[in-house]
Amino acid sequence: GAVVSQHPSRVICKSGTSVKIECRSLDFQATTMFWYRQFPKQSLMLMATSNEGSKATYEQGVEKDKFLINHASLTLSTLTVTSAHPEDSSFYICSARERSGRGETQYFGPGTRLLVL
Amino acid sequence: RKEVEQDPGPFNVPEGATVAFNCTYSNSASQSFFWYRQDCRKEPKLLMSVYSSGNEDGRFTAQLNRASQYISLLIRDSKLSDSATYLCVVLMNTGFQKLVFGTGTRLLVSP
Repeated sequence: GAVVSQHPSRVICKSGTSVKIECRSLDFQATTMFWYRQFPKQSLMLMATSNEGSKATYEQGVEKDKFLINHASLTLSTLTVTSAHPEDSSFYICSARERSGRGETQYFGPGTRLLVL
Repeated sequence: RKEVEQDPGPFNVPEGATVAFNCTYSNSASQSFFWYRQDCRKEPKLLMSVYSSGNEDGRFTAQLNRASQYISLLIRDSKLSDSATYLCVVLMNTGFQKLVFGTGTRLLVSP
């Protein structure tokens, strides 16, 4: 079936550094990709919706200059956390939507656990 | 008010028990409904879609009541492997379609 990969799976970095997370749809073309964040014992919160070749749409309260999203191809979207701080430590999950004759299905990547020291 | 509300639990049940989870959503224009399962430190995985007519998949039964904006999940004959967090998820159209997740209900099945 459809698979979405994320890299890296885990990141530990110092405060002030930037971290890039890649999300790939491995066997389908994803015109839309989503980035979520999940803090411990909380629900997944949508950060932004990314459409291939256009600017991402950010949810209210998410800083677009801090969380840079690039969706340059139909199989790759990247999220860059710029100048990361300890409060950015979280579980980041991407999701890709596949459009087929049966409708639309959304698949989730395995997530990236970010720890900012 | 949260868009999707669930009892966080945990629900502690013995093997073989029947357990039910409930969920309410606030946006009456919500289009589609799902239950996802999330294991500790893993991504959510689709368990089943939810329809007004009710649908069953083995030991799992899901039900939607649009009038009450209420979704349920019933698990019969609980297994140890059912221990996880169950997420109620609603597909909303706010100019574009997006999934909105509840906080999840944690289930612990013990021997």
